[in-house]
Amino acid sequence: AQTVTQSQPEMSVQEAETVTLSCTYDTSESDYYLFWYKQPPSRQMILVIRQEAYKQQNATENRFSVNFQKAAKSFSLKISDSQLGDAAMYFCAYRGRMDSSYKLIFGSGTRLLVRP
Amino acid sequence: KAGVTQTPRYLIKTRGQQVTLSCSPISGHRSVSWYQQTPGQGLQFLFEYFSETQRNKGNFPGRFSGRQFSNSRSEMNVSTLELGDSALYLCASSSGDSKNIQYFGAGTRLSVL
Repeated sequence: AQTVTQSQPEMSVQEAETVTLSCTYDTSESDYYLFWYKQPPSRQMILVIRQEAYKQQNATENRFSVNFQKAAKSFSLKISDSQLGDAAMYFCAYRGRMDSSYKLIFGSGTRLLVRP
Repeated sequence: KAGVTQTPRYLIKTRGQQVTLSCSPISGHRSVSWYQQTPGQGLQFLFEYFSETQRNKGNFPGRFSGRQFSNSRSEMNVSTLELGDSALYLCASSSGDSKNIQYFGAGTRLSVL
């Protein structure tokens, strides 16, 4: 069975600085998708970034980028120029490419605090 | 386009009652998934419906059930509520395209007293 692990329950960053959130996963599949979702106090999960495992290139979305290490099964999220609005819970998620459904397996989450 | 809409936002029930939660997906999306979020267990997959058929089911007791209508709207039902069913229930919809992105609603907060 696939598992996703986020070992940092909470992280803190100074506004305008850079922070990296860690995520590791375990799978026997060779092709899959990885996601980072953000959940602010409003509770709505918002997709931050998405990575396809067969793509070597790390995904980037504006201030958000990932460091995808397939062999190490690691998928960290880097947030540059942190803003107060980045404060939220961040969840790493996995989905097997061959899955017939869209089931996501989530990590336990990392709470990001942004200091002004 | 309107996002994923979940109703109601908050619900308070007592043990033994049953409850029905509703989810309207993004227009054109045929897949609807449900997740339970609790502080202790985190985010857990309940089930997914695609074109009115349950395509996958998580490891939850039979008290948890769902259905999807021809307009893709989905409902989940929990019968004989227990205190441990108190949670945030999230619904997500997907278009089924190659991007495989799920879009989430704001959830229904269920409190069982």
